[in-house]
Amino acid sequence: SYELIQPPSVSVSPGQTASITCSGDKLGDKYACWYQQKPGQSPVLVIYQDSKRPSGIPERFSGSNSGNTATLTISETQAMDEADYYCQAWDRGTAVFGTGTKVTVL
Amino acid sequence: EVQLVESGGGVIRPGGSLRLSCAASGFIFDDYGMTWVRQGPGRGLEWVSSINWNGDSTHYADSVKGRFTISRDNAKNSLYLQMNSLRAEDTAFYHCARGTVGGSLGFDSWGQGTLVTVSS
Repeated sequence: SYELIQPPSVSVSPGQTASITCSGDKLGDKYACWYQQKPGQSPVLVIYQDSKRPSGIPERFSGSNSGNTATLTISETQAMDEADYYCQAWDRGTAVFGTGTKVTVL
Repeated sequence: EVQLVESGGGVIRPGGSLRLSCAASGFIFDDYGMTWVRQGPGRGLEWVSSINWNGDSTHYADSVKGRFTISRDNAKNSLYLQMNSLRAEDTAFYHCARGTVGGSLGFDSWGQGTLVTVSS
């Protein structure tokens, strides 16, 4: 079955840039989405179609997808960005979520 | 404002059945495919099942295929998940989300979830 692998954790200082990777076989041939989930809350879509932001998502969130890796980048990271992040793609009629990355803002 | 409100969760013994519901409002329900996603305690997100706008196309994760059935009633703006032969590993928060199979737009709205606990 298809797998999407993310680093378990990423640490970033306030104001710096955080990059979260998502690796899967030929992921660049699919569309990748990214979700943010804060403790006790439901996930929120922050990126769709590899690099597009839904209404209301700050511009500091951006995405890219090429080859076997999709990347979520958070520029000028703020304390409120501390959360779990999940990538997601579709593979043959099955939605696959990544393993998840905990972003800590130190 | 889009709202998705799940109900029907609870404590159930292994082998039992449960039916989850998701009441949708704030958008034209039958314009969208819908999906169930679950999250076990301290675990990541796991896709469970999706259904297209009119219910004639459904997809399931291998882990629930043959045990769970997704359905919808567009007249009632409601999504359902019938869960049979429940196992301990089905214990999770179950979220309904707006989004269709293969959709590039992602799951753009989520409910708060309903907790299903399978335990003897």
